[in-house]
Amino acid sequence: GENVEQHPSTLSVQEGDSAVIKCTYSDSASNYFPWYKQELGKGPQLIIDIRSNVGEKKDQRIAVTLNKTAKHFSLHITETQPEDSAVYFCAASKANSGYALNFGKGTSLLVTP
Amino acid sequence: DARVTQTPRHKVTEMGQEVTMRCQPILGHNTVFWYRQTMMQGLELLAYFRNRAPLDDSGMPKDRFSAEMPDATLATLKIQPSEPRDSAVYFCASGLSLGQGYEQYFGPGTRLTVT
Repeated sequence: GENVEQHPSTLSVQEGDSAVIKCTYSDSASNYFPWYKQELGKGPQLIIDIRSNVGEKKDQRIAVTLNKTAKHFSLHITETQPEDSAVYFCAASKANSGYALNFGKGTSLLVTP
Repeated sequence: DARVTQTPRHKVTEMGQEVTMRCQPILGHNTVFWYRQTMMQGLELLAYFRNRAPLDDSGMPKDRFSAEMPDATLATLKIQPSEPRDSAVYFCASGLSLGQGYEQYFGPGTRLTVT
């Protein structure tokens, strides 16, 4: 089955700096890659996604890049703010499993003022 | 503001008791997923439905877990009998299956504690 590795497990940055979280996947059939943000006591919230026919996608301060050949994708957050502090999860999915999500283990991001 | 709802939000029960968790997907969504979150295993898929038909429940312990969609507005996850190792947060997510990949929206979860 699909195996998604996520690094780092914890990340601490100063407000205004950039944060980068990296994920690798094992199944070359995976073609949809969402990122979720989870705050304490809440469900995961979709923040951005990318499909395999696109190499990069940006939404304001958040961007995601995908390298299909290397089977890795990354989340970039620029100009971080304290409210960006949360756990971030990457996921990989494919058509023949109904796009059920295989998640990484998560990255706990702390943005200090 | 459409959102997935789950009840109950918290459940404490004793080992051996039956537990039923409910989910109301976003109106119009045709796919419903059940995930479980623990510190050790992270987020893992239990089962999912499309157009109310179960497509995959390989992530569930078959002898004690069951998932159903009695109608398009309700999905249920039942554990009978419950065990302490079932303690986790159970999330329901829904999406509209169209083309390559689609957004899944998660509910707030049911935190289950089995003593």
